[in-house]
Amino acid sequence: DAGVTQSPTHLIKTRGQQVTLRCSPKSGHDTVSWYQQALGQGPQFIFQYYEEEERQRGNFPDRFSGHQFPNYSSELNVNALLLGDSALYLCASSLPRGDGNTIYFGEGSWLTVV
Amino acid sequence: GQNIDQPTEMTATEGAIVQINCTYQTSGFNGLFWYQQHAGEAPTFLSYNVLDGLEEKGRFSSFLSRSKGYSYLLLKELQMKDSASYLCAVMDSNYQLIWGAGTKLIIKP
Repeated sequence: DAGVTQSPTHLIKTRGQQVTLRCSPKSGHDTVSWYQQALGQGPQFIFQYYEEEERQRGNFPDRFSGHQFPNYSSELNVNALLLGDSALYLCASSLPRGDGNTIYFGEGSWLTVV
Repeated sequence: GQNIDQPTEMTATEGAIVQINCTYQTSGFNGLFWYQQHAGEAPTFLSYNVLDGLEEKGRFSSFLSRSKGYSYLLLKELQMKDSASYLCAVMDSNYQLIWGAGTKLIIKP
């Protein structure tokens, strides 16, 4: 059990709608990273949160935003959904300088945009 | 730019050995990861290399050469359940994971 929980596990949204995905990190972890994995591709880094601030960001438009709460849990928000946003969204928790032994992934949230 | 290259697909026979290669060019290096991903599931951690050499863990081994920007994942005594995609990922200088597109491994009886 990796200890990272994500919700919801599956959801279907209509183009133009907004979606919020949630992640609770493993106990003791204070850094949360979000990744998007389209079908048949490797995950792409969206952004990372630490101390309730976005510390780093990948090449994603402003429609993708996030938040980290004082309990280290995090949300990923996507506005104005496009068909191309359909993907598996992965949350990873770690310590700020997480090495291979301290990065844990959740089971992901499958988003389908129709 | 940052780039991770690995073969798109490989086929091997049950009981045999297969080696999946990964080459990388990244901004800095803080370790290389291998993940296994079955269809419809999230990636699961297999191995982590930060120093040159071979790391062995049961039927799976991972090798790293930082000077060559090269790694491989070696799977021995292949089982049908090993049919999956194998993802190579490098942690760059910003402690971000940069991922390859994955290698789909097909195991035949």
